Amino acid sequence: QVQLQESGPGLVKPSQTLSLTCTVSGGSISSGNYYWNWIRQPAGKGLEWLGRIYTSGNTIYSPSLKSRVTISVDTSKNQFSLKLTSVTAADTAVYYCARAISGTDAFDIWGQGTMVTVSS
Amino acid sequence: DIQMTQSPSSVSASVGDRVTITCRASQGISSWLAWYQQKPGTAPKLLIYPASSLQSGVPSRFSGSGSGTDFTLTISSLQPEDFATYYCQQAHSFPITFGQGTRLEIK
Repeated sequence: QVQLQESGPGLVKPSQTLSLTCTVSGGSISSGNYYWNWIRQPAGKGLEWLGRIYTSGNTIYSPSLKSRVTISVDTSKNQFSLKLTSVTAADTAVYYCARAISGTDAFDIWGQGTMVTVSS
Repeated sequence: DIQMTQSPSSVSASVGDRVTITCRASQGISSWLAWYQQKPGTAPKLLIYPASSLQSGVPSRFSGSGSGTDFTLTISSLQPEDFATYYCQQAHSFPITFGQGTRLEIK
């Protein structure tokens, strides 16, 4: 049973970089059958897709965040990561990592989510 | 970007009721639509993808229909565990976008 687990600081100062990691257990991140995604949800609000990394290492990002977001993968650790630069209070949210099956863009497995607050 | 609009934003219903939630895309997305259920403090759960295909383990009282721009999620007979927020999501083109959610509350 594949599971995803987010980790990282729960508090980030404005203008700094938010860094999160998603650890994949129960399966290999290198399997070509899946895409690996980051999604966030501000408190009481809807879901926003941030971007994706393929097992090839190719990435695609949401245009609204493209200049600030980087997603990378470490296959040796079975992890993928999110970096979001120049954060503001508007970036305060629960951040989820999620898997999509190759050939689809629906998210079948999600991490439990991690709350990140941007505040000085 | 493709805008996804759900209606209603919230609905109150009783156990045993039939409930329908609508999702409209700002442009045609064929059948590339997913539905999720989210309970407070938990991650969303994939219910249906593509538009009318129930995911494994999802009760048969859930059903989805539609194609192009108009889609519906129907719960045929509400159970206590169905009270949650439901989101639609288009999987047609990037960026991937979600509806604003429909909160299903107990009457």
